[in-house]
Amino acid sequence: GESVGLHLPTLSVQEGDNSIINCAYSNSASDYFIWYKQESGKGPQFIIDIRSNMDKRQGQRVTVLLNKTVKHLSLQIAATQPGDSAVYFCGTGNQFYFGTGTSLTVIP
Amino acid sequence: NAGVTQTPKFQVLKTGQSMTLQCAQDMNHNSMYWYRQDPGMGLRLIYYSASEGTTDKGEVPNGYNVSRLNKREFSLRLESAAPSQTSVYFCASSELAAGTGFLPQHFGDGTRLSIL
Repeated sequence: GESVGLHLPTLSVQEGDNSIINCAYSNSASDYFIWYKQESGKGPQFIIDIRSNMDKRQGQRVTVLLNKTVKHLSLQIAATQPGDSAVYFCGTGNQFYFGTGTSLTVIP
Repeated sequence: NAGVTQTPKFQVLKTGQSMTLQCAQDMNHNSMYWYRQDPGMGLRLIYYSASEGTTDKGEVPNGYNVSRLNKREFSLRLESAAPSQTSVYFCASSELAAGTGFLPQHFGDGTRLSIL
């Protein structure tokens, strides 16, 4: 079956630094990917998406990089702020199960 | 912009009771989903509806039923609640059509359900 996992369960960064969160996927046929942010007590929130015909996509302070060769996806957050503290996870294809994600803590 | 609205936000049930969780989206999305999230675990798909009039099982459908009432509304029913169904339930929607991947784009804020 299809699986999506994340490399690190926790990540701590200083306020103002850049953050990089990684995700690996197993299905080479995946053609659409989403990064989500989930704050404590809230539902997951769509951050940014990317299609397989792209290698990079930028949003406001966020960049997603897609490496189809090694089936790897990353989320870069520029100038990380305390409000960025949350759990981040990625999804692709027919996602029946999302992993526990990476918990990002921003240190003021 | 309401997005995805879930009701109720909190509910306590006794074992054996039944209830329906309501979900509505105002984005004209074709696909809708129900997930559960347990402490320390990721989201698990219960049921999804690729389009109005269709429903399909996800990873953990046992003990649940769903109804896609119309394009806006997708309800989840627990016929005989069990303590193992204590969880946070999230409804979600997406504009992607079937065949392009069932990947939710917008989530509600959840229903916190406790079964005693």
